[in-house]
Amino acid sequence: AQSVAQPEDQVNVAEGNPLTVKCTYSVSGNPYLFWYVQYPNRGLQFLLKYITGDNLVKGSYGFEAEFNKSQTSFHLKKPSALVSDSALYFCAVFDSTSGTYKYIFGTGTRLKVLA
Amino acid sequence: GAVVSQHPSWVICKSGTSVKIECRSLDFQATTMFWYRQFPKQSLMLMATSNEGSKATYEQGVEKDKFLINHASLTLSTLTVTSAHPEDSSFYICSAPSGTDYQPQHFGDGTRLSIL
Repeated sequence: AQSVAQPEDQVNVAEGNPLTVKCTYSVSGNPYLFWYVQYPNRGLQFLLKYITGDNLVKGSYGFEAEFNKSQTSFHLKKPSALVSDSALYFCAVFDSTSGTYKYIFGTGTRLKVLA
Repeated sequence: GAVVSQHPSWVICKSGTSVKIECRSLDFQATTMFWYRQFPKQSLMLMATSNEGSKATYEQGVEKDKFLINHASLTLSTLTVTSAHPEDSSFYICSAPSGTDYQPQHFGDGTRLSIL
């Protein structure tokens, strides 16, 4: 079965420093990977996706993610963190192995950017 | 961009009441919508896939008779929590992909359900 893992429940980073939120995946076939962000009491917002092509994917709000096939990882990154980036981040994988399709989410990583 | 509207955003009701939550795609058609449940400080749990014009596909462990899903049109799916009890209190979120083939999902803002 397709799955993603987010090994860190929480990541703390100082404002202005680079940030990384980790995600590893386990899939059969080609991986189709996504990052979403959730602010309190809101739904999720799409940040970026990897389908094929360049391993470095650029997304919304200055975020990017690096797809690494050998390490089966898709880490989310940003060169300079903002306090407003503090939120809950989810990695997800597209799953069509059951005949229908759905998206499998990781457990989420809470990012705290400290002023 | 694609927008999904979810209503109501907050519901407080007595135990035994049935509650209906609506999910609408405002500027695109959605043959498929997803319903999730999110517990505090936890991930999204996929409850069911709502299919326009046919029966919903429920995930293992989700009670079909408890969580009724109807997808009567290409822009509207509803989740009805029947005879709700305090353990049904949660944050429910719907989403719809704006297309097929690995398109991002567009999420509603969620419904916080509190059963007294």
